[in-house]
Amino acid sequence: AQSVTQLGSHVSVSEGALVLLRCNYSSSVPPYLFWYVQYPNQGLQLLLKYTSAATLVKGINGFEAEFKKSETSFHLTKPSAHMSDAAEYFCAVSGPNNAGNMLTFGGGTRLMVKP
Amino acid sequence: DVKVTQSSRYLVKRTGEKVFLECVQDMDHENMFWYRQDPGLGLRLIYFSYDVKMKEKGDIPEGYSVSREKKERFSLILESASTNQTSMYLCASSSTTGTGGVGYTFGSGTRLTVV
Repeated sequence: AQSVTQLGSHVSVSEGALVLLRCNYSSSVPPYLFWYVQYPNQGLQLLLKYTSAATLVKGINGFEAEFKKSETSFHLTKPSAHMSDAAEYFCAVSGPNNAGNMLTFGGGTRLMVKP
Repeated sequence: DVKVTQSSRYLVKRTGEKVFLECVQDMDHENMFWYRQDPGLGLRLIYFSYDVKMKEKGDIPEGYSVSREKKERFSLILESASTNQTSMYLCASSSTTGTGGVGYTFGSGTRLTVV
């Protein structure tokens, strides 16, 4: 069975500061990993995904994430936060032989950006 | 641009009404999903479907039913709406092809209020 844990349901940073959103996964097989972003009153939008190619994955809006197998982590980072980054972020995992490509989602982290 | 379209962004219904939430995708995806999203509870899977006329219960199916008569359309039905079904409802779709790294495409969500 797969699971995802996002440490911190709320994270607050100042504009221009580093953004670090944590995601740890549990999977019995090499996973596929995803980060989604949800802006207020909208659906989820794919930010980036890891599919066993490069371990450092670059996504939209300046975000990136690094797959670390030894730590079972896939943390999301951005060097400099912008006010427009305020949103909820979801980490998700699926396995390579997962019928229907089912995703398991973490509980989400709400990012707040202070001016 | 590929899309998942939910018919309503905001909906207000009365207790006891039968409510239909419609979702249409134009990507020829086999899989479709309905989630509800509530503060502090993350995404909870209500129902999903792997094929036309096929449905599977998710984690919280009570009080809901679904219909998938055509591949592109997946409807969520609240047989008798109650105030505890006030929530944000998200539809998603994904392809079965590939080995699990495809992720989901989400609709914009329907914010349902039951009064």
